[in-house]
Amino acid sequence: DADVTQTPRNRITKTGKRIMLECSQTKGHDRMYWYRQDPGLGLRLIYYSFDVKDINKGEISDGYSVSRQAQAKFSLSLESAIPNQTALYFCATSVTGVTGELFFGEGSRLTVL
Amino acid sequence: QQQVKQSPQSLIVQKGGISIINCAYENTAFDYFPWYQQFPGKGPALLIAIRPDVSEKKEGRFTISFNKSAKQFSLHIMDSQPGDSATYFCAATLGGNTPLVFGKGTRLSVIA
Repeated sequence: DADVTQTPRNRITKTGKRIMLECSQTKGHDRMYWYRQDPGLGLRLIYYSFDVKDINKGEISDGYSVSRQAQAKFSLSLESAIPNQTALYFCATSVTGVTGELFFGEGSRLTVL
Repeated sequence: QQQVKQSPQSLIVQKGGISIINCAYENTAFDYFPWYQQFPGKGPALLIAIRPDVSEKKEGRFTISFNKSAKQFSLHIMDSQPGDSATYFCAATLGGNTPLVFGKGTRLSVIA
């Protein structure tokens, strides 16, 4: 079983719909991240959380929100999806104090029509 | 503002050849430089990393060369194999509580 699990793996939705991407981890790590991957743009940080009470905006947080429900769960929401949010989304975790080594999930591919 | 610039965007190498991917950074306070490897349909995974107090790190066929004065680092894949075909990302961090910043990625294809 994967240590970092993302659901759904694939989702097609329409403009204006609310979408939630979920991430759960069994690694016991405190730190969790959401990244977005677009061809030619690399990996860009959306939000990150260093513990349950800590939420931080990343490089491209506009249009997104997050919830850290527990140490092991970190959800990403798109309140009103738009086509340019079509992308591959990754959740990742890291050990406290070691931000350079991330453990990624397998990704959630989101298509907004 | 792109903090880590990666080139080339794509690379085709013959089997057995050397693959070289380059990255440049601006912030001299960065203190950890990892490379991630991503296969299709998978998340990126840490491949190899270096700190600025050494000029080279080698793990098997993979080597990072680090040039602190030029603010550049590169990944060399010796004896490249078709199984090395993947997207490679360089990254950097200030350490502590600062998240990684990634380059835009290089898509490597190793052909027989």
